[in-house]
Amino acid sequence: GNSVTQMEGPVTLSEEAFLTINCTYTATGYPSLFWYVQYPGEGLQLLLKATKADDKGSNKGFEATYRKETTSFHLEKGSVQVSDSAVYFCALSDRNTGGFKTIFGAGTRLFVKA
Amino acid sequence: SQTIHQWPATLVQPVGSPLSLECTVEGTSNPNLYWYRQAAGRGLQLLFYSVGIGQISSEVPQNLSASRPQDRQFILSSKKLLLSDSGFYLCAWSVPAGGYNEQFFGPGTRLTVL
Repeated sequence: GNSVTQMEGPVTLSEEAFLTINCTYTATGYPSLFWYVQYPGEGLQLLLKATKADDKGSNKGFEATYRKETTSFHLEKGSVQVSDSAVYFCALSDRNTGGFKTIFGAGTRLFVKA
Repeated sequence: SQTIHQWPATLVQPVGSPLSLECTVEGTSNPNLYWYRQAAGRGLQLLFYSVGIGQISSEVPQNLSASRPQDRQFILSSKKLLLSDSGFYLCAWSVPAGGYNEQFFGPGTRLTVL
């Protein structure tokens, strides 16, 4: 079945440091890939997405590239800010199954220190 | 524009008491609807999803149930709460298309069972 594996946290960085959160997936079809972010006490919100191989999703300085050959969708940001402290979820949705369900990774908590 | 509401925002209930959480969506028709639970410091667990009025799919057997009495209303219920039901409950919706399944989340309900 489909699955998503992301690096365990917490990840602690200083402000302006480079961020990478690794995400790999297993899927039988042709999934769309997502990164969601959850700020403390809130619901999840979509950060970026990619719907086919080699697509790059980007938003708010974050980027992730859909790599079919390595089944990966790693999240990167060149210079993190304290306001980026949150939990980040990698996710996939398989269009071959009608896209009814989204498979989420376990989440990676990011702490950014001033 | 579409919005999703959940209430109550927080709830403290004794063990054995009933539960009713409500979720409503505005600005869209015939959405797919979802209930997730997030235990403290953990990832998302899909509890139920619905693709139409009266159509409920259960992902995890437990003492919770869901109903969809109207197109844009999704209710999570329990007859008798357990301590293990404590958590952060999130409602989400997505468009009922065969493409990628971006989900839009509500603000959540934090439930504490004592």
